[in-house]
Amino acid sequence: DTGVSQNPRHKITKRGQNVTFRCDPISEHNRLYWYRQTLGQGPEFLTYFQNEAQLEKSRLLSDRFSAERPKGSFSTLEIQRTEQGDSAMYLCASPYHTGTGELFFGEGSRLTVL
Amino acid sequence: QKEVEQNSGPLSVPEGAIASLNCTYSDRGSQSFFWYRQYSGKSPELIMSIYSNGDKEDGRFTAQLNKASQYVSLLIRDSQPSDSATYLCAVDTGRRALTFGSGTRLQVQP
Repeated sequence: DTGVSQNPRHKITKRGQNVTFRCDPISEHNRLYWYRQTLGQGPEFLTYFQNEAQLEKSRLLSDRFSAERPKGSFSTLEIQRTEQGDSAMYLCASPYHTGTGELFFGEGSRLTVL
Repeated sequence: QKEVEQNSGPLSVPEGAIASLNCTYSDRGSQSFFWYRQYSGKSPELIMSIYSNGDKEDGRFTAQLNKASQYVSLLIRDSQPSDSATYLCAVDTGRRALTFGSGTRLQVQP
């Protein structure tokens, strides 16, 4: 598999519920990024993994957000006690080539919090 | 001041014209610069990267970088309706994650 796969593609939930998104990155690429994008804005960096280690977290990632990458393969992003302000597209990305900033994005997971 | 600034547009050009998209950045230490295209409802896709001052051409696309003036531009020659999209400028500031501008919406009129 040469692409970045994300699921679910769409998630509608009620405020206060927990949601989890999964990302399967480009095979054998050790870096994985999560971004969030709201309407009319560019992607905003959330967090970054090198293998299984979470190396950087944005201040946007409140304590309701947690991300994991067990065994350095797929990654999950969980949002607890969702709020309407969490409604956004959550994007996962892998570099095209190790060590570069040229990112290949997955199709994204769109979250709507009612 | 935003780290990466773009005019939100829309920028409207007739089919066949040259579209010029601009981006300025604030971190003078930035080394790598990228243009992504994003169609409505889709995720961003990389179209150009540029690392040194000057021009870089790829088909109908030309990226231009001027580090002294801290701006990056993208020229699209012979614009087509299929080029209508939002173009995102992204900068690698050395903090391991790209910083994106808010994008410029391009409309190519047939």
